[in-house]
Amino acid sequence: AQSVTQLGSHVSVSEGALVLLRCNYSSSVPPYLFWYVQYPNQGLQLLLKYTTGATLVKGINGFEAEFKKSETSFHLTKPSAHMSDAAEYFCAVSDDGSSNTGKLIFGQGTTLQVKP
Amino acid sequence: DVKVTQSSRYLVKRTGEKVFLECVQDMDHENMFWYRQDPGLGLRLIYFSYDVKMKEKGDIPEGYSVSREKKERFSLILESASTNQTSMYLCASSLTSSGEQFFGPGTRLTVL
Repeated sequence: AQSVTQLGSHVSVSEGALVLLRCNYSSSVPPYLFWYVQYPNQGLQLLLKYTTGATLVKGINGFEAEFKKSETSFHLTKPSAHMSDAAEYFCAVSDDGSSNTGKLIFGQGTTLQVKP
Repeated sequence: DVKVTQSSRYLVKRTGEKVFLECVQDMDHENMFWYRQDPGLGLRLIYFSYDVKMKEKGDIPEGYSVSREKKERFSLILESASTNQTSMYLCASSLTSSGEQFFGPGTRLTVL
């Protein structure tokens, strides 16, 4: 069965520092992978996704993630943190790779704190 | 842009009441989902639907039911609300071909 592990429930960085949020997955088929962001009292918003093709995926707000099959990882990065990046971030993997059911398996989330 | 709307942002109900949470999407998506979100537990799937009148149990269906009479609308029903159902409820929709889910703003339900 597919699963997602996000390492670190809380990550704290200084403004301007590199942001690195870790995500490892297990999947028996080629996965679709997603990163979502959730601001307080709001729903989830898609940051970026990997389906096929280029393994380095660029998303909104300067974020990017790299699909590494050998490491079963899909870590999220941003070169320079901004105060507005403070939010909760969720990694997700499609339930069956081809996404026939549309189901996603979510990690438990990482709260990003950005210090001035 | 896809829009997913939920009937209430905040809701307060009493134990034993029947509660309806409504979700509407405007992009003709086949799939719709209901999740609950609790601190430290991430998102847990309650029910999903891949077509009108079709439904499948998710990971935590106990105490909930759903209804999908029209493609754009997916309702979550708490037959007899209990305090342990106090939570944030999120609705989402997707096209099967893309896998990406679009989320509503959430309903924060408090059961007293």
